[in-house]
Amino acid sequence: LAKITQPISMDSYEGQEVNITCSHNNIATNDYITWYQQFPSQGPRFIIQGYKTKVTNEVASLFIPADRKSSTLSLPRVSLSDTAVYYCLVDPSTGANNLFFGTGTRLTVIP
Amino acid sequence: DAGVIQSPRHEVTEMGQEVTLRCKPISGHNSLFWYRQTMMRGLELLIYFNNNVPIDDSGMPEDRFSAKMPNASFSTLKIQPSEPRDSAVYFCASSPREGYTFGSGTRLTVV
Repeated sequence: LAKITQPISMDSYEGQEVNITCSHNNIATNDYITWYQQFPSQGPRFIIQGYKTKVTNEVASLFIPADRKSSTLSLPRVSLSDTAVYYCLVDPSTGANNLFFGTGTRLTVIP
Repeated sequence: DAGVIQSPRHEVTEMGQEVTLRCKPISGHNSLFWYRQTMMRGLELLIYFNNNVPIDDSGMPEDRFSAKMPNASFSTLKIQPSEPRDSAVYFCASSPREGYTFGSGTRLTVV
């Protein structure tokens, strides 16, 4: 399994762009990178998934360098409602597709 | 789409009692997962099913825990007998492939 490292916590002011970087040095060829968001008292929610380069959806962007040993989740213009824990996962694309969550990054958005 | 439905939302029981948690996955999703979340240990994968068949139960803490999936639309996680250290939020998730969908969880308190 790829070892995942991400910051324990981050603070940001409303309206700023937030970038959360995750390292996954021993990512395998078949692995995808997936990010989830979890609010208190709720289950994790899928945000975005990518394999390489850049992926963008209505919620976030995901930047993955060529070596794929890290990835950066970018949240544009955060609001107070983006305060949550963000999990970076490496997700095998074939075979056993069980997800193992790390400690995540607790993002606090400050007014 | 009602999403993944878990019941009950909250369960308080006495030590030694049997507890049964229920999950209805999203129709058409062929994978189902049971997770447990605590402050100390974060999100832990307990067991997952593909096409109603248990694939990996290595995360089940001990023989007191058992899970079944009798059909594609229903799964149970049973704890017998329950102990205070089983107190946690238990999440069920289902997936076709990309983007696992989690339920709202069952908060279990064993006193």
